[in-house]
Amino acid sequence: GEDVEQSLFLSVREGDSSVINCTYTDSSSTYLYWYKQEPGAGLQLLTYIFSNMDMKQDQRLTVLLNKKDKHLSLRIADTQTGDSAIYFCAEKRGFQKLVFGTGTRLLVSP
Amino acid sequence: ETGVTQSPTHLIKTRGQQVTLRCSSQSGHNTVSWYQQALGQGPQFIFQYYREEENGRGNFPPRFSGLQFPNYSSELNVNALELDDSALYLCASSLWGGTLNTEAFFGQGTRLTVV
Repeated sequence: GEDVEQSLFLSVREGDSSVINCTYTDSSSTYLYWYKQEPGAGLQLLTYIFSNMDMKQDQRLTVLLNKKDKHLSLRIADTQTGDSAIYFCAEKRGFQKLVFGTGTRLLVSP
Repeated sequence: ETGVTQSPTHLIKTRGQQVTLRCSSQSGHNTVSWYQQALGQGPQFIFQYYREEENGRGNFPPRFSGLQFPNYSSELNVNALELDDSALYLCASSLWGGTLNTEAFFGQGTRLTVV
């Protein structure tokens, strides 16, 4: 994950919106992904965006992509305590290799 | 549930030993990738298998090797285990080829501890 950067920690209150940010380096990446990881578990695919899109909305999730700045964000509306987890952004390079960021730990307090 | 299953879920090995981890891919998928996730880090790509052949490799030494079987299940073998090999090993399956490509779906992982 040395080429994909994320802030380490985010704390929000239940009901607020959460915004998790990510910067990547490979401008040729075709797809960018957001995965969720709960303690002791594998990775759950949340959503993804194709590189020719600026925005994608999927229920409470909104993904914004700024290709010029190589910046990706995930907004979670009406954040719930069940959203507490580590969130990874990842870019697809070449065949099907995923390069992950270091993850952002989201803590949602009641 | 992604349909990707890994075994075992936990494993403890001694430095210098060898280990085999197993992955059953989701039905209809033909590609399996393996990732190593050290504590507090993001997953790192080890290698990928497509149609029973290695289709790309990350920055891991040759003592990390793999296999893919005709039913698309896969094994990850690690020889001469080192303490730094302690990690969560994740398997991901996907469908690749032609115009129909899917995203990678991950299993729950195998937690390997080397002592």
